[in-house]
Amino acid sequence: IVLTQSPGTLSLSPGERATLSCRASQSVSSSYLAWFQQKPGQAPRLLIYGASSRATGIPDRFSGSGSGTDFTLTISRLESEDFAVYYCQQYGSSPYTFGQGTKLEIK
Amino acid sequence: EVQLVESGGGLVQPGGSLRLTCAASGFTSGSYWMSWVRQAPGKGLEWVANIKEDGSGKSYVDAVKGRFTISRDNSKKTLYLQMNSLRAEDTAVYYCARLYSSSSGRALDFWGQGTLVTVSS
Repeated sequence: IVLTQSPGTLSLSPGERATLSCRASQSVSSSYLAWFQQKPGQAPRLLIYGASSRATGIPDRFSGSGSGTDFTLTISRLESEDFAVYYCQQYGSSPYTFGQGTKLEIK
Repeated sequence: EVQLVESGGGLVQPGGSLRLTCAASGFTSGSYWMSWVRQAPGKGLEWVANIKEDGSGKSYVDAVKGRFTISRDNSKKTLYLQMNSLRAEDTAVYYCARLYSSSSGRALDFWGQGTLVTVSS
């Protein structure tokens, strides 16, 4: 399953709303779609699993939605620490592929 | 506190071998599937392999099949990745990660800090 994330880069200002897309080449069970955040020099951090469930300790400004082949990560009001690279991953069908990432940068 | 600590990375020549180790603490490691994920310099994430709780089930990405072997020793709370016939394209930071599974879904919920493998002559 190929996951295609868009846009490749998203330039926004703190306080704005961010919408990141992840499109799958074939249907993915919602239970097996996750979103990660990665900052430079750090390991990825799980944000969302099961397409819409927030991982432990993740602020409620992060939300996930979608089903089938189209999934979305929304950050309602950007804070300075949210500027990073975001990846989606499907863990339903081996190989458990990642999207190529969306870089969220400060405008 | 859940912790995963990788070690064993380094510089190796093409065709060489390396064994990565991931030491787990803060949870019952024998109760979770575990995975290896890699990231080439400046690139995205690539899932490499995973292994069932008791080691009886394993799967790999095609790019490493026949060259890499994932294994675990639950008595030592340790995950391994034996890498043989290494190629330049295997150069990457290698992360171990725990697979969380519930009725709501499954995902890699805890990650180590990674260990760098460089394949070069």
